Order: sequence, then structure tokens, then C-alpha cells
Amino acid sequence: GIQVEQSPPDLILQEGANSTLRCNFSDSVNNLQWFHQNPWGQLINLFYIPSGTKQNGRLSATTVATERYSLLYISSSQTTDSGVYFCAGEFSGGYNKLIFGAGTRLAVHP
Amino acid sequence: GAGVSQSPRYKVAKRGQDVALRCDPISGHVSLFWYQQALGQGPEFLTYFQNEAQLDKSGLPSDRFFAERPEGSVSTLKIQRTQQEDSAVYLCASSIRGGQFGELFFGEGSRLTVL
Repeated sequence: GIQVEQSPPDLILQEGANSTLRCNFSDSVNNLQWFHQNPWGQLINLFYIPSGTKQNGRLSATTVATERYSLLYISSSQTTDSGVYFCAGEFSGGYNKLIFGAGTRLAVHP
Repeated sequence: GAGVSQSPRYKVAKRGQDVALRCDPISGHVSLFWYQQALGQGPEFLTYFQNEAQLDKSGLPSDRFFAERPEGSVSTLKIQRTQQEDSAVYLCASSIRGGQFGELFFGEGSRLTVL
């Protein structure tokens, strides 16, 4: 079935470190988004990135649609980056929904 | 409003009670989604509206779950005869477009606890 796999499941960083989060999807996607869920549970949209590369401050994302994966880069991490990062894809075939991965739980320590 | 608004933020229900959760999407947004998020897991799709039409309800876990969006704006998710397994955070999201719906914006969620 349709699957979105995220790695690593958990990540612990020292403040200032860089990291790469990966999202693999089982089939072609039309629409790939990255979200950050903060400790209060709010899901914040980071990137809408069906293909190519985007950057927003210390964060950047790359989607290689032909190889069915996306990467989220966090540079110079800060404690406020802590939380859970989700990727979600809308799969070809008229699914009309974003299917989420299980998330990467990030803890950034001072 | 400026963002997606959900109410109540917290709801405690006794098993067997009916509950109603409200979502007020961003004004003018065509697409509206409901998701269920269990503790420690990713959001799971429940249902999708394009304006007032419910185009996909394949994720609703049982016939105790019902959603509506009668005027194409505010939506209500109703759960009848709540069970303990219904305890979760219910998230609402909206997008400006229908069809290829683009970027999703989420509300803060309604946390339901069934005792």
C-alpha cells in the first residue's frame, strides 16, 4: 500500500549542529509537504515542495520526485527547532489527501 | 480569521457520550480536511471536503463518526457514543484550492479524552 517512511525516527543534537531528515515514499507524489509540530501540538507548514529545492532561513528542502524521496536540512540548529518533523505526500491516482509519515522526533540541547 | 480555528481545544467525555468538534477554516479556503492523531503517531486522514461536498470519507473509522460542512465554510466533526479508542487529537486543515489542493494549514487541534 501507499507508504511514507521517515528517518531517523529520533534525533538528538547539540545546539549549532546540522542535520538531514529523510522522507521516502512508495509511489509517485503530486504534492509533498514538510511540517513541524511544536511541543504544543501545532503543525506548522515548513515547505510545499513537490520537486526541486527551496530554502527558508536555516531550513532547506529538496524533493527528487523521480527517485521518490525528499530531504529536510536544518543548519545551525537551535533549541526552538525541537519537536516532531513530518513529511506528507499526496499520491498520484486521485487520493485527495496528504498521507503522513510517522515523523522524526528532534531534540536540540543547549 | 487569520488562521484555522478549532474548538473546543480540550474535551473530556464519558464513554457513550456524543461530542461535536468545530473547525473554522481560513476564509475563502475551498478544501477542508479532518485528521486524527494518536499519541506519538502521525496524523491519519479522516475526511475531505471541497466546499460543501464531502468528496472522501474513507478514513472515518466507523459509522459513529460523521462530518459536515453545510455552507462550505465551518465544519463539524461529530462522534456518537464515544469509546475510549476515540481518544486522540483531532486536527482540521484547510487549503485555498480544490483539486490539486496545494499547501495545507492546520489548526491547533481538539484534544478528546474519553473516560
